[in-house]
Amino acid sequence: AQSVSQHNHHVILSEAASLELGCNYSYGGTVNLFWYVQYPGQHLQLLLKYFSGDPLVKGIKGFEAEFIKSKFSFNLRKPSVQWSDTAEYFCAVNIPNTGFQKLVFGTGTRLLVSP
Amino acid sequence: EAGVTQFPSHSVIEKGQTVTLRCDPISGHDNLYWYRRVMGKEIKFLLHFVKESKQDESGMPNNRFLAERTGGTYSTLKVQPAELEDSGVYFCASSQDRGYNEQFFGPGTRLTVL
Repeated sequence: AQSVSQHNHHVILSEAASLELGCNYSYGGTVNLFWYVQYPGQHLQLLLKYFSGDPLVKGIKGFEAEFIKSKFSFNLRKPSVQWSDTAEYFCAVNIPNTGFQKLVFGTGTRLLVSP
Repeated sequence: EAGVTQFPSHSVIEKGQTVTLRCDPISGHDNLYWYRRVMGKEIKFLLHFVKESKQDESGMPNNRFLAERTGGTYSTLKVQPAELEDSGVYFCASSQDRGYNEQFFGPGTRLTVL
């Protein structure tokens, strides 16, 4: 079965610091990859996704992620965080072309950005 | 356009009682998913409807959980009888066409079983 690991459970940064959140998945075949974010009091929303093509994916709010197939990784990055990026971030995968569209999530990373 | 809505937002019940959670997907979305997050753990898939049919119910924990989607619109998830370990946040999501595109999530229902 597929699984997703997010190694950083809590991250504290100052504004303007750079961010990188790790995500590794275990599945040997083709995957679709996602990063979702949940801001305080809000719904989970999609930050970015990767299905195929350019492994460097740009999302909303200045976020990007890089798919490295050899490392089974899909790390999330932002060059300069803002206080408003305080949220919980979830990496997720699903397996295309199987008819089963469930998302498999990591445990989430809580990011606190101090002003 | 209205997003995915869930009712109630919070529910506190005693062990052995019954609770029914409701999800209204985005209008026109054939795919509806239920997920659950137990405190401190990952969000876990429960099941997936395509219209009124159960496409994948591999994540349902046991037969105390019953999900329905009559008429292919809103869905309910009933827990009967509830146990302490059922506590958590239950999320609903919906998507158009295939879920390889974005799944839109509702705000979740926080269930506490005492």
